[in-house]
Amino acid sequence: SYELTQPSSVSVSPGQTARITCSGDVLAKKYARWFQQKPGQAPVLVIYKDSERPSGIPERFSGSSSGTTVTLTISGAQVEDEADYYCYSAADNIRVFGGGTKLTVL
Amino acid sequence: EVQLVESGGGLVQPGGSLRLSCAASGFTFSSYWMHWVRQAPGKGLVWVSRINSDGSSTSYADSVKGRFTISRDNAKNTLYLQMNSLRAEDTAVYYCARGDVWEPWGQGTLVTVSS
Repeated sequence: SYELTQPSSVSVSPGQTARITCSGDVLAKKYARWFQQKPGQAPVLVIYKDSERPSGIPERFSGSSSGTTVTLTISGAQVEDEADYYCYSAADNIRVFGGGTKLTVL
Repeated sequence: EVQLVESGGGLVQPGGSLRLSCAASGFTFSSYWMHWVRQAPGKGLVWVSRINSDGSSTSYADSVKGRFTISRDNAKNTLYLQMNSLRAEDTAVYYCARGDVWEPWGQGTLVTVSS
């Protein structure tokens, strides 16, 4: 089975750059997506195809990929970016989410 | 406006059954693969199942294989998840999501398995 590993938490001060990593063998051959989820709300797609940003997502959100690791970067993190972030990828008949990273901005 | 609305959740006893529905609107439902994803209270997202656009192909997470069945009615723009032999660990909010695009998500429907 495939697994995606994320740090459980990341903390930054407002205006700093936050980086959240996601590692897994499947990422060497398949794209990743990133989802943001705020308390009590449904997830929202913030990055697809490793680094593409959907319309309406602020430019401070970016993604990158290197080997078996993808990284979500939030440049100049805002208080409103505080949320849980999940990576996701798919291969064959398997779809998998990372365990999630709680981003604290304070 | 693209919209997904889940329904059918509720309280069910262990061993019981429940059928969830996901009503889709604002897009050509029959053109998209669809997924079910769940989230136990205070836990992360877990992929449950997917179905291709015409319903001829499905796949499941190991944790639900043999107990859950995904299906769709393209004439009614509706996705289903039949859940049998429910266990306490199936307690979660269940979301449907549009494949390939993965946006937007519905608000989910809560399933509670408890005696």
